[in-house]
Order: sequence, then C-alpha cells, then structure tokens
Amino acid sequence: GENVEQHPSTLSVQEGDSAVIKCTYSDSASNYFPWYKQELGKGPQLIIDIRSNVGEKKDQRIAVTLNKTAKHFSLHITETQPEDSAVYFCAAPLRWGLTFGSGTQLTVLP
Amino acid sequence: GAVVSQHPSRVICKSGTSVKIECRSLDFQATTMFWYRQFPKQSLMLMATSNEGSKATYEQGVEKDKFLINHASLTLSTLTVTSAHPEDSSFYICSAPSTGTGSDTQYFGPGTRLTVL
Repeated sequence: GENVEQHPSTLSVQEGDSAVIKCTYSDSASNYFPWYKQELGKGPQLIIDIRSNVGEKKDQRIAVTLNKTAKHFSLHITETQPEDSAVYFCAAPLRWGLTFGSGTQLTVLP
Repeated sequence: GAVVSQHPSRVICKSGTSVKIECRSLDFQATTMFWYRQFPKQSLMLMATSNEGSKATYEQGVEKDKFLINHASLTLSTLTVTSAHPEDSSFYICSAPSTGTGSDTQYFGPGTRLTVL
C-alpha cells in the first residue's frame, strides 16, 4: 500500500519568512495529494490539494508543488504569520481513505 | 467546503463501559465515511471505512468486534467503542468525501477526545 514520509518534523521561522514542508510517496499510481492544518485539539482542516495532472497549485500565500517523477510533493507558505503556527500533515490516497505523513509542527515566531 | 460534525466533542468513561460517537455530514450526503484514530503527538491512522447500507471495512489490526460501526443513513455514521480500556483513550476523527462517495476530497470532523479511566 501507499506510504508517505514527511519532513521536517519541526520547523521554526520568523514572521514574514517562508516555510517549506516536503513529503515523498511510494505508489506511483497515487493521483491526489492533500495538505491539512491541525490546530491543537481540533480536527484537520484541508488547506490545499493537488491532483497528478498538474505540477503546481497556488491559493494566496499557500502553494503546493508535485514532482511525479521523483514522487514527492511540497507545501510552500509565504509571508508566514503567527496564526500559521500549527501541525501540518500531507496525505495520499489509500484504496479507501487517506494515509498521512507524520506531521510537521510549524512555529512562526513574532 | 463541506461540513462534518461529531458528537460528543469529549467523553470520559470508566473502563469496561461502551461509548458511542456520532459523525454527521451536515450539508451533503455521504455513502462512505471514514474513521481515524490519533494518539497524542502522532499522525492520523485510518481505522475503518463506513459504508451506508452495508458492513464496514476495517484496516488491518483494528478489531471489528471492539469498534462497532453503523452507517444508518446517508448523513450519519456511528462508532461504538465497546468495553473500553485505558489504551483506547485517543482522539477519534471521522471524515467524509465531498462528493459523497469514494476517495474524493476528504473533509474532517472536529474530533472526539475519549478518555477511559
């Protein structure tokens, strides 16, 4: 089955700087890659996703890039703000449901 | 995006009792819903797929007799943790696909914190 690896596990950036989180996947047939933001004690919130027919997708300060050949995808957050501090998870599809990366604790320092 | 709710948000129970958690899709119908479990400082792990009108599909290592799933309608799935023990204490989260079926964009509920004493 699909396996997703995520790094780094923790990331601290200064407010206004950019943050990049990377994930690799194992199943070349996977075609959908979402990113979720999870705040403490809450459920994951979908922030952006990408399908395998495109290489990049952007939504305001958030972007995701996909390299199908290398089987990795990345989350880019620009102009970070303190409210971006949270745990971020990448995911890839299983036959049913999703398999998640191990998560990245992002801390934006004011 | 689609809205998924869960009830209760947190529950504390005694060891040996059973606890029911509800997952509802509020503005769309879902023939399929998913149940995940998340231990502290860990990632989400898929437990089972809930199918409206048929039996749930459980992931390897998840006891189907302990975690009973009922998908009674197109907007409601329930997870019952039977004879709960302290090791079952976890954050239980459900999700539903935006189109209601299959593995499309998943929207997650707010989660239920279960503490077994």
